[in-house]
Amino acid sequence: EPEVTQTPSHQVTQMGQEVILRCVPISNHLYFYWYRQILGQKVEFLVSFYNNEISEKSEIFDDQFSVERPDGSNFTLKIRSTKLEDSAMYFCASINDRAGNSPLHFGNGTRLTVT
Amino acid sequence: DQQVKQNSPSLSVQEGRISILNCDYTNSMFDYFLWYKKYPAEGPTFLISISSIKDKNEDGRFTVFLNKSAKHLSLHIVPSQPGDSAVYFCAASAPSGTYKYIFGTGTRLKVLA
Repeated sequence: EPEVTQTPSHQVTQMGQEVILRCVPISNHLYFYWYRQILGQKVEFLVSFYNNEISEKSEIFDDQFSVERPDGSNFTLKIRSTKLEDSAMYFCASINDRAGNSPLHFGNGTRLTVT
Repeated sequence: DQQVKQNSPSLSVQEGRISILNCDYTNSMFDYFLWYKKYPAEGPTFLISISSIKDKNEDGRFTVFLNKSAKHLSLHIVPSQPGDSAVYFCAASAPSGTYKYIFGTGTRLKVLA
């Protein structure tokens, strides 16, 4: 079964540094997402992306965050200047569309640790 | 802003018995509800979903019930197996066009052998 893949599985960075989290969504999917989960808390929506542009973003997704689909397969999340509170699991997800109410498919996540 | 709530952080059930996980929501615009299972160091895995036009959906050992008037859904697992031990998240979405999900805080299920 096709799956969403994320790299790296764990990223450690110093406060103030830029990080790029990478995702390869399922190949025929059209909508792409980033979610995050701070340890012990709920999974929170960050941003959705469709047709090469952001379709919706949450309050968390401020100017320090950006997303890009640089080619036909990758979907990236960039944090320009990381803060300690950015430490979390970041999940990429994708969906074909809501036809038939198909669910989001999630990757296994990137654990970001900001020191 | 907790639009989706799971009030039980944990649940322990004996193997073979029924597990019932509950979820409440506040947004009457939600029209699609899902349950995800999550193991440590893995992403959420889709389990079962239900559209707001239905009140029950069944898939093998898993059944989701939706009570729209009470804004409540539940997941029943029968019979429970040790491999079901995981964190279960309910999620909901509204017809916004972006298919954004709002997740609950999760319930950790432990099935005792």
